[in-house]
Amino acid sequence: EAGVAQSPRYKIIEKRQSVAFWCNPISGHATLYWYQQILGQGPKLLIQFQNNGVVDDSQLPKDRFSAERLKGVDSTLKIQPAKLEDSAVYLCASSLTETQYFGPGTRLLVL
Amino acid sequence: LAKTTQPISMDSYEGQEVNITCSHNNIATNDYITWYQQFPSQGPRFIIQGYKTKVTNEVASLFIPADRKSSTLSLPRVSLSDTAVYYCLVGDLGGNYGQNFVFGPGTRLSVLP
Repeated sequence: EAGVAQSPRYKIIEKRQSVAFWCNPISGHATLYWYQQILGQGPKLLIQFQNNGVVDDSQLPKDRFSAERLKGVDSTLKIQPAKLEDSAVYLCASSLTETQYFGPGTRLLVL
Repeated sequence: LAKTTQPISMDSYEGQEVNITCSHNNIATNDYITWYQQFPSQGPRFIIQGYKTKVTNEVASLFIPADRKSSTLSLPRVSLSDTAVYYCLVGDLGGNYGQNFVFGPGTRLSVLP
């Protein structure tokens, strides 16, 4: 079974630029999550989708972050404009029931 | 939200049994306890989950006392490849699982030869 796919794996941008991350969840998984993991910390939930609807986005910095899940499958997370403190690994996860399956993440460095 | 507390780091030697204890004093009736493992440059990976008493799978055992205010992840005969960060999570299994699912800093386990 294919796992959660994410791209790109690495991204370096300058502050105030925009960036987008893509996630393809495991086939059939209705729930999709985006996490931000800063070095040395545990992942922090940014947004949770159930199919193409948002369940929880309470920790998403909506002035600069946005996410969508068109057709309830793939998802895109965007940052515009990026700040230095956005440097982190962005993890996507999906679940069918309670177990979350994580992708390898996208490592973002903002200079 | 049920908050969890676990040791920041632990050291062990190959072949030993490792027990990592997590405290969750305000766990709710509907909450389950889940442990994830994370290697460098990878996303977390599910290890084990339980509600009460003892759960065992091919990777680990999870011990949960009757009051459920703590839980212990037991890794038998660890090897160097078990060096990772281990996260204890508490949350319900309803449709808003992610809403009640908070990762702490985890326990960094170092297995030495």
